[in-house]
Amino acid sequence: DAGITQSPRHKVTETGTPVTLRCHQTENHRYMYWYRQDPGHGLRLIHYSYGVKDTDKGEVSDGYSVSRSKTEDFLLTLESATSSQTSVYFCAISEPDQPQHFGDGTRLSIL
Amino acid sequence: KQEVTQIPAALSVPEGENLVLNCSFTDSAIYNLQWFRQDPGKGLTSLLLIQSSQREQTSGRLNASLDKSSGRSTLYIAASQPGDSATYLCAVYTGGFKTIFGAGTRLFVKA
Repeated sequence: DAGITQSPRHKVTETGTPVTLRCHQTENHRYMYWYRQDPGHGLRLIHYSYGVKDTDKGEVSDGYSVSRSKTEDFLLTLESATSSQTSVYFCAISEPDQPQHFGDGTRLSIL
Repeated sequence: KQEVTQIPAALSVPEGENLVLNCSFTDSAIYNLQWFRQDPGKGLTSLLLIQSSQREQTSGRLNASLDKSSGRSTLYIAASQPGDSATYLCAVYTGGFKTIFGAGTRLFVKA
């Protein structure tokens, strides 16, 4: 959807392991976002980027880090995964004051 | 703190019926409001974006209205079809890259 690819689409890993999720866009949009979606909490912003190498924390950033070295790629890293980080992760992109467009998500299970 | 509420949580209607989904927010200081649909196992698809200065937006059988002063938005779906079955979410952008999502209304259109 809207030229956004998330990888992997599914991942199962163990507590304490590092995990990196990738978001790749072909739309050349300036802003990129990482959200998590959980039952009972809805969608919550983890981190966002407003340009290459420009990132900031969202509502639920503890335990997560991000990097954006190119316009098209936004990486989300869980340094040491915990079971509370089991979730569906969505990447979104937008231009200023324009609609956000979402990828298809990554389903992450941490055992 | 901005809160977004969507009522009802679930709705079942026969095919062909016109229907209204509701979204309310507690703080009228918003920049825009966006409606999305989400199909099971998929990401969010943007339907309509209403800027704070606008009263409504239309796309095909969809019409979204915004009343900032009362903190309400409605999504009107005309002549509903089984393919409209999905979860519909509204989200308000409050500035500073902060978007608050509602929990969604799960719509089922019976053939």
